[in-house]
Amino acid sequence: QKEVEQNSGPLSVPEGAIASLNCTYSDRGSQSFFWYRQYSGKSPELIMSIYSNGDKEDGRFTAQLNKASQYVSLLIRDSQPSDSATYLCAVNMRANSGYALNFGKGTSLLVTP
Amino acid sequence: NAGVTQTPKFQVLKTGQSMTLQCAQDMNHNSMYWYRQDPGMGLRLIYYSASEGTTDKGEVPNGYNVSRLNKREFSLRLESAAPSQTSVYFCASSEMNRGEQFFGPGTRLTVL
Repeated sequence: QKEVEQNSGPLSVPEGAIASLNCTYSDRGSQSFFWYRQYSGKSPELIMSIYSNGDKEDGRFTAQLNKASQYVSLLIRDSQPSDSATYLCAVNMRANSGYALNFGKGTSLLVTP
Repeated sequence: NAGVTQTPKFQVLKTGQSMTLQCAQDMNHNSMYWYRQDPGMGLRLIYYSASEGTTDKGEVPNGYNVSRLNKREFSLRLESAAPSQTSVYFCASSEMNRGEQFFGPGTRLTVL
């Protein structure tokens, strides 16, 4: 069974702090990793993609990948109340024909003013 | 660009009824996907089409069929709806099968 694991939370951080979201995956052959943000009642929105080991920064967001440890993380700096949402980790894994995204169940983030 | 569009937004069915969920993308993407999202279960892949002319089963295909009508459109059909198919359905597309996926707004389906 190919799995993607996340803590469900809720993770509560004060406004202005750094939020750290973590994800582990089971398939060592995975090559593509994504973070999606989902507000309640809305569809998932892609916020970060990462393909190689190390850090990738985009504005207040940093994605970190460690393939040896099968670990992906997302850091949100200067957290804002508008960042309160569920964050989904997704890993591209081999499927029947081609590849398919396996999603974690998401971590709920609450940023308090 | 509208991105990925889905119709309808909401639907209520009775057990045994059939319906087709429509999805279209205007990004010239090659790959398209259907997911369902249930509380506590996360997003689960129902079917996908890695390229025009191909379709394949995902994690939870039972009770569903799909048609890749052309490069733009990918429909999901429920032949005989069951209460267990009550869910939110999302369509997504990506330029390449391994790449970033972009989601439509979803269809909220209730089967009574």
